[in-house]
Order: sequence, then structure tokens, then C-alpha cells
Amino acid sequence: QVQLLQSGPEVRTPGASVKVSCTASGYPFFKYGVSWVRQAPGQGLEWMGWISPFTGNTYYAEKIQGRVTLTTDTAARTVYMHLTSVTSEDTAVYFCAREMQGYGDYDYWGQGSLVIVSS
Amino acid sequence: QSTLTQPASVSGSPGQSITISCAGAFSAGGSFTLVSWYQQRPGQAPKLILYEGDKRPSGVSDRFSGSKSGNTVSLTISWLQTDDEGDYYCCSSAGVGTYVFGSGTEVTVL
Repeated sequence: QVQLLQSGPEVRTPGASVKVSCTASGYPFFKYGVSWVRQAPGQGLEWMGWISPFTGNTYYAEKIQGRVTLTTDTAARTVYMHLTSVTSEDTAVYFCAREMQGYGDYDYWGQGSLVIVSS
Repeated sequence: QSTLTQPASVSGSPGQSITISCAGAFSAGGSFTLVSWYQQRPGQAPKLILYEGDKRPSGVSDRFSGSKSGNTVSLTISWLQTDDEGDYYCCSSAGVGTYVFGSGTEVTVL
């Protein structure tokens, strides 16, 4: 069955960087794009970016572009989200999600990874 | 940056129908095909309930339907059930390759 398994919780101090992983199983890894979506405590969903495991092409939300980088390790079937210069506003649960048809339609989601930024 | 505006909350009694609007869905030049809807229960990941505007993934009840009018898309839940409680988000194109989620709507079954 399709699964997206994310790495565990992280705690960072302001100004540091964090890298969250998302390991896919149960489907052809190259066939589906993967996006990252985050949710601050008590807040809504925020789309962050997308990567094609096949081409490595990426798109990023304008708000966060320059601080976020999505990469893949195809041998490990893993997608990574690297966020730099974090502040308290980056405290959130970070989700990876598989894009079903390429239309922003996310049919499978990871369990979420909590990132806390605190001094 | 594109903004999708949803009502903060919508409520209804069991058996009733409710509609959640999402304004601004095509402001970035996207189409109905690029609209999806998600249900999120507390402590869980979002669940896809509509894609391409009005298509339901396998296993999603036909009580969920999607529509559009002008620059607004809507999700209608018919025959409301207690299990429908949760937060609902629309998602639409924000420009080439990028997407934006709506502000979210809390659904309460009275």
C-alpha cells in the first residue's frame, strides 16, 4: 500500500536550518510529484513547494522561496525539505503529500513532522 | 500572492446540506481542473475529498460535490452526518506550478 513516512520531531534555535525527510513506498517513485505543506499551531494549511522525483524540477511558494529547498534521493525513495534561517514563525507540522495527477491533488499524505523553533 | 477566502465556520443539523465557498479560486489564472478540496480532522493529515473541481476519489461519499460560479468555487455536503465534522480547505493554482490553500472552514454538526 502507498505510504509516506516522515522523519521525527525537530527542535531548532532561531537562525538554524532543519531538514525533514519523506520516504515513499508502495508506488512507482518517479511517477508522482511530491509537495510539502505546513500547518502552524491552530492555523490553516500552507503550500510550500513541489518536486518531481523524475526530473528534479521544483516550484516554491513565493513567500518562502529562497529559504526552502526540496531534493530527492532516488535510491532511497526519499524526498527532503530543507528550510534555512528559521524563526518562531516556522514552528509547524510539516507534511509531505503525493500529487495524484499533477493538478494540485494530493491523494496520500505523510503523518507529519513537528518542527519547533525556540530559543 | 493569491488568496483564497473561505468562511471561518459553517454549521448544520444532521440531514441538512451545507455549502462552503472559496473565493478567488481563479485569480491566478487557473482553471476548475486545478481545484481540490480537503477534509482535516484534529490531529490528522488532510484527506482529499474532491479533485479537478468536482471529481471524487474512490471511497469518498457522493454526498460531497463541487461547483463553480465566477471566481468562486464551492463544496456542498449533502445529508450532513456527525462524521463530517472537521476543517475543510480548498486548494487552487497560484501561478505556474504553484498552489495555495484556502483559509479553511470549520464544519460543525449541530
